[in-house]
Amino acid sequence: GNSVTQMEGPVTLSEEAFLTINCTYTATGYPSLFWYVQYPGEGLQLLLKATKADDKGSNKGFEATYRKETTSFHLEKGSVQVSDSAVYFCALSENTGNQFYFGTGTSLTVIP
Amino acid sequence: DTGVSQDPRHKITKRGQNVTFRCDPISEHNRLYWYRQTLGQGPEFLTYFQNEAQLEKSRLLSDRFSAERPKGSFSTLEIQRTEQGDSAMYLCASSLANGNQPQHFGDGTRLSIL
Repeated sequence: GNSVTQMEGPVTLSEEAFLTINCTYTATGYPSLFWYVQYPGEGLQLLLKATKADDKGSNKGFEATYRKETTSFHLEKGSVQVSDSAVYFCALSENTGNQFYFGTGTSLTVIP
Repeated sequence: DTGVSQDPRHKITKRGQNVTFRCDPISEHNRLYWYRQTLGQGPEFLTYFQNEAQLEKSRLLSDRFSAERPKGSFSTLEIQRTEQGDSAMYLCASSLANGNQPQHFGDGTRLSIL
């Protein structure tokens, strides 16, 4: 079946530190992969996506590369800001797009 | 494009009561999804519609839950005879029908059962 596993949080970093949040997946086919971000009291917002192997998604300084050989889609940012504090969810979608499978989320707190 | 809107934002009710939530998707999106999210967890799929047709339902969706999308636009999710375990955030999302299109989420309805 399909599933997503994320590194557990919470993660606390100082401003300008390097961020990595690990995500690995299990899928029966060739899924599309996504990172969503959820700020307190809000719904999920799409952060970036990649639809095939070796694609790199990027947005707002965040990047993730679709690695088929390691079934991973790790999220990285070179220099985090306080405003990046949120919960980050890795997700996959079968190419039929019928359903998304989400990880459990990783809470990030960035301190000044 | 005003985004996905959900109403109400917060619902508090007594156990055993019925509740109904509404979701208005992005207007050109023909797919609409309902998820449930509990504290510390990712969203769990409940059901989805393509236009007015309900095409898939999760086993999480007990017979107390029913969802409709009568004209292929807005959708409602009703929970009958609510139980303590129904307390959660209910999220709605919409997307275009292509398989690798992202889903756009509303801010959710938080249900609290007393």
